[in-house]
Amino acid sequence: SAVISQKPSRDICQRGTSLTIQCQVDSQVTMMFWYRQQPGQSLTLIATANQGSEATYESGFVIDKFPISRPNLTFSTLTVSNLSPEDSSIYLCSVEGGGRAYNEQFFGPGTRLTVL
Amino acid sequence: LAKTTQPISMDSYEGQEVNITCSHNNIATNDYITWYQQFPSQGPRFIIQGYKTKVTNEVASLFIPADRKSSTLSLPRVSLSDTAVYYCLVGGEYGNKLVFGAGTILRVKS
Repeated sequence: SAVISQKPSRDICQRGTSLTIQCQVDSQVTMMFWYRQQPGQSLTLIATANQGSEATYESGFVIDKFPISRPNLTFSTLTVSNLSPEDSSIYLCSVEGGGRAYNEQFFGPGTRLTVL
Repeated sequence: LAKTTQPISMDSYEGQEVNITCSHNNIATNDYITWYQQFPSQGPRFIIQGYKTKVTNEVASLFIPADRKSSTLSLPRVSLSDTAVYYCLVGGEYGNKLVFGAGTILRVKS
């Protein structure tokens, strides 16, 4: 199973600024995913990030707001731009691969973002 | 993508067996049924997956009737540490996406 770390674990940001979240995996993986979990809510997929190609965004999420980089098979970043209080959420990355089950994903611990 | 419906919350006591049922009436032929567990301040983690009948692992059992329109996650002899949110997911036809529903908050009391 993959081990995933995220930085920072939490941050408090001012509105109008940006935050870049890093996701590091201990093994090479093809598919990485970014999710948002708003307070008390379930997870919502933001985008799928494959190395060597542009990220694929879900409905309601756009690249200008959530630019993603995927420079290699073990690392990705998600930037949340032009922050507003509505962006206060937990952001999680996940990877697929190495699991016992079909489509099994392994999740990082999340980054808790608070926007003032 | 097949939509899932689960109870919003359940309460149990230590040592009891807990069964959480998920409804997925529109499940497709290629879809698997997967359950994830999420503790506070952690990312979800895979518990169990099945396609039909019964699957058992070291953590839980998953019961799937012949019509596959529902599934039941069974946790034997729960402890306080099983307090978490449990998500039922259905997918496979649309590739690698995981679509999380609302989940079931399980509270285990002493």
